Amino acid sequence: QKEVEQNSGPLSVPEGAIASLNCTYSDRGSQSFFWYRQYSGKSPELIMFIYSNGDKEDGRFTAQLNKASQYVSLLIRDSQPSDSATYLCATDRIIQGAQKLVFGQGTRLTINP
Amino acid sequence: EPEVTQTPSHQVTQMGQEVILRCVPISNHLYFYWYRQILGQKVEFLVSFYNNEISEKSEIFDDQFSVERPDGSNFTLKIRSTKLEDSAMYFCASSNRGLGETQYFGPGTRLLVL
Repeated sequence: QKEVEQNSGPLSVPEGAIASLNCTYSDRGSQSFFWYRQYSGKSPELIMFIYSNGDKEDGRFTAQLNKASQYVSLLIRDSQPSDSATYLCATDRIIQGAQKLVFGQGTRLTINP
Repeated sequence: EPEVTQTPSHQVTQMGQEVILRCVPISNHLYFYWYRQILGQKVEFLVSFYNNEISEKSEIFDDQFSVERPDGSNFTLKIRSTKLEDSAMYFCASSNRGLGETQYFGPGTRLLVL
């Protein structure tokens, strides 16, 4: 079983609509969850992080965490063409105080004008 | 805004050669990481480094790999004898603390082994 699973997509969403990206994880001990955006050929760029069950909003982005279901999601409201990218879900492993991130495969999102 | 920097941006090398990838983490950060991403695949953890020693390393990080913080600003990844399968994008990251702290990634070094 993969530690972090995402649908690789592509997910195609019309401009202005809500894009919904999903992620599941296998380790119930995971504490922190991160969404990174990665444009082709570029490095991961942090969008949001979430630690607690429920919703966390930041501008057009909302992260949702359900630890009982081991499920994390990212909603992007009013999608723009510039949101077209691969979205990486990551969780952490804490070893001797150092954190390693475990990434999913990523979901490729395309926003159609 | 402070950022992680990496050099070179691209490196082409012959199989069996040594390469050194360099990173300058964000200045007040204490934890340093290397990840790699083979083309079309997911980002994979290689090694974490804190207090001048390796905290954790993955199965990928075998004896061919080493890391060093030679001075107060640089953090390097050395691959002693490169293989074709080492071709990948290598990302350096840093964080202020370890536990639950956001990691900030550098722009990456694209390594091509011929």
